[in-house]
Amino acid sequence: KQEVTQIPAALSVPEGENLVLNCSFTDSAIYNLQWFRQDPGKGLTSLLLIQSSQREQTSGRLNASLDKSSGRSTLYIAASQPGDSATYLCAVLVGGQNFVFGPGTRLSVLP
Amino acid sequence: GAVVSQHPSRVICKSGTSVKIECRSLDFQATTMFWYRQFPKQSLMLMATSNEGSKATYEQGVEKDKFLINHASLTLSTLTVTSAHPEDSSFYICSANPLGHEQYFGPGTRLTVT
Repeated sequence: KQEVTQIPAALSVPEGENLVLNCSFTDSAIYNLQWFRQDPGKGLTSLLLIQSSQREQTSGRLNASLDKSSGRSTLYIAASQPGDSATYLCAVLVGGQNFVFGPGTRLSVLP
Repeated sequence: GAVVSQHPSRVICKSGTSVKIECRSLDFQATTMFWYRQFPKQSLMLMATSNEGSKATYEQGVEKDKFLINHASLTLSTLTVTSAHPEDSSFYICSANPLGHEQYFGPGTRLTVT
């Protein structure tokens, strides 16, 4: 059974710092991996989608990498801003075409 | 991009009543839709897979008689929480994908059972 973990569970950083969020999954048989952002009480915002054959994806200040063989992904956020404060979820798409989500990392960027 | 809508966005109901949540794919057809729920301060967990024209597939621990799923058309899946109790209060999100493309999530429905 696929399990997804995320480290750290929570992170508080001053504005301007670069930071890395980590995601691990137990079964490398995935279709893709996706990073989401969730604001309190809100739905999901897709940030980056990495297909299983890809190694990384970039969008603006965000960069996500995928090492499928080791079951790891990282989300790199450059020059963090207070508006980046949210919960970041990592999810893998598995054989049944559903997602298995990690528990999330709660990020707080202090002005 | 593809859009998935949910209705209502927020609902409050009394204990013992039933509530229906709709999930619609607005610009594509979806033979399969997925229902997730998220308890406070927890991540999303798959509840069930909704299959157009056939019975839904439920995850272990999810009561199929309590959470009725109907996928009567290629653009609509409904989740009915029957005889709701306060412990059913949660954030329910559906997802669907155009064939061969990435999945899209609805905005979610926050259910509060008093």
